[in-house]
Amino acid sequence: EPEVTQTPSHQVTQMGQEVILRCVPISNHLYFYWYRQILGQKVEFLVSFYNNEISEKSEIFDDQFSVERPDGSNFTLKIRSTKLEDSAMYFCASSEAEGTNEKLFFGSGTQLSVL
Amino acid sequence: GDSVTQMEGPVTLSEEAFLTINCTYTATGYPSLFWYVQYPGEGLQLLLKATKADDKGSNKGFEATYRKETTSFHLEKGSVQVSDSAVYFCALSDRGTGRRALTFGSGTRLQVQP
Repeated sequence: EPEVTQTPSHQVTQMGQEVILRCVPISNHLYFYWYRQILGQKVEFLVSFYNNEISEKSEIFDDQFSVERPDGSNFTLKIRSTKLEDSAMYFCASSEAEGTNEKLFFGSGTQLSVL
Repeated sequence: GDSVTQMEGPVTLSEEAFLTINCTYTATGYPSLFWYVQYPGEGLQLLLKATKADDKGSNKGFEATYRKETTSFHLEKGSVQVSDSAVYFCALSDRGTGRRALTFGSGTRLQVQP
């Protein structure tokens, strides 16, 4: 079965540094998402992306965050100046179509540790 | 706002035991309900879903019934296997709010011992 690929699996960075988390969605999917899970807490929605623009974002997704689909295959999440509280598991997901019942395919996550 | 509450884990069971993982929700609109599973080293995968009250989702021996009167969507399996060891996430999406993103619970880790 096709899968969503995320790299790296673990990223360690210093507070204040920029990080880019990378994802390769399933090739025929059109909708892309980032979620995150702080240790012991709920999985939280960050942003959804369609047709080269953000279609929905949460209150967590502030000016420090940005997303991009630079080359038609990768989907990236950039955190401009990391904070300690950005430490979390970040999940990328994609889906074929839009809709509340649409099946999302998730990657295995990038564990971000901000020191 | 919408929210999902799951029972805390880890849940440790012996093989062939009966499993229940509780999930309750609050929603302002008309939610669809989901269970996702994450096996070690893998991404979250859709396990089952139900889109309206009294629907029963089922897959791989797992079942969950959408109970509007109790706002619950408990996951059950009659006889668990070691291979069911994973983290299980309850989630909803709420058409009534117009928000398409999934709202997840915190996940429940299941450990099945031989």
